[in-house]
Amino acid sequence: GEDVEQSLFLSVREGDSSVINCTYTDSSSTYLYWYKQEPGAGLQLLTYIFSNMDMKQDQRLTVLLNKKDKHLSLRIADTQTGDSAIYFCAESIGDYGQNFVFGPGTRLSVLP
Amino acid sequence: NAGVTQTPKFQVLKTGQSMTLQCAQDMNHEYMSWYRQDPGMGLRLIHYSVGAGITDQGEVPNGYNVSRSTTEDFPLRLLSAAPSQTSVYFCASSYHRDEGLHFGDGTRLSIL
Repeated sequence: GEDVEQSLFLSVREGDSSVINCTYTDSSSTYLYWYKQEPGAGLQLLTYIFSNMDMKQDQRLTVLLNKKDKHLSLRIADTQTGDSAIYFCAESIGDYGQNFVFGPGTRLSVLP
Repeated sequence: NAGVTQTPKFQVLKTGQSMTLQCAQDMNHEYMSWYRQDPGMGLRLIHYSVGAGITDQGEVPNGYNVSRSTTEDFPLRLLSAAPSQTSVYFCASSYHRDEGLHFGDGTRLSIL
């Protein structure tokens, strides 16, 4: 079945860039997403990329998509302590892309 | 708009008890879904609905029932609680996949 993989932990220093990586298996996925989860809260959509795009930039966030390798990455520039959270990669699947498969989440720790 | 509202926020049950987790959204979204979140496993889809009167199973449906009598509400029923159902449960809704999912704040459920 569909599978989304991520490394579980990442630590960076405040002010550095963070890069969170993800691989997925469903080549028919048309949308790929990054969500952020802060402690005790639900998931919040950060950004998404359509499968015919290679890159999407949104302020400090840059998403890169390599469709050939089924690899997605999220770069956070000038990482701040407020960016400490769990980041989930997800793909939409199903006949109408109505269901979502999530990776296990990467816990980002930002050190002062 | 309240978005997606889940109640209760916390619940402790004994093995064999039944209960209903409530989910309501005020965004007129046709698509609603239930996920469970367990450490290191990301979110797994339990059941979903693409509109009132229509429900379908996700990846881990056993032990759970759903119904969708209105667009706004999508309750999740545990028929006979088991310790393996200890988890954090999230309800989510969506208008279109390019918006991703809107999540509630979750229900933390412990089964003793």
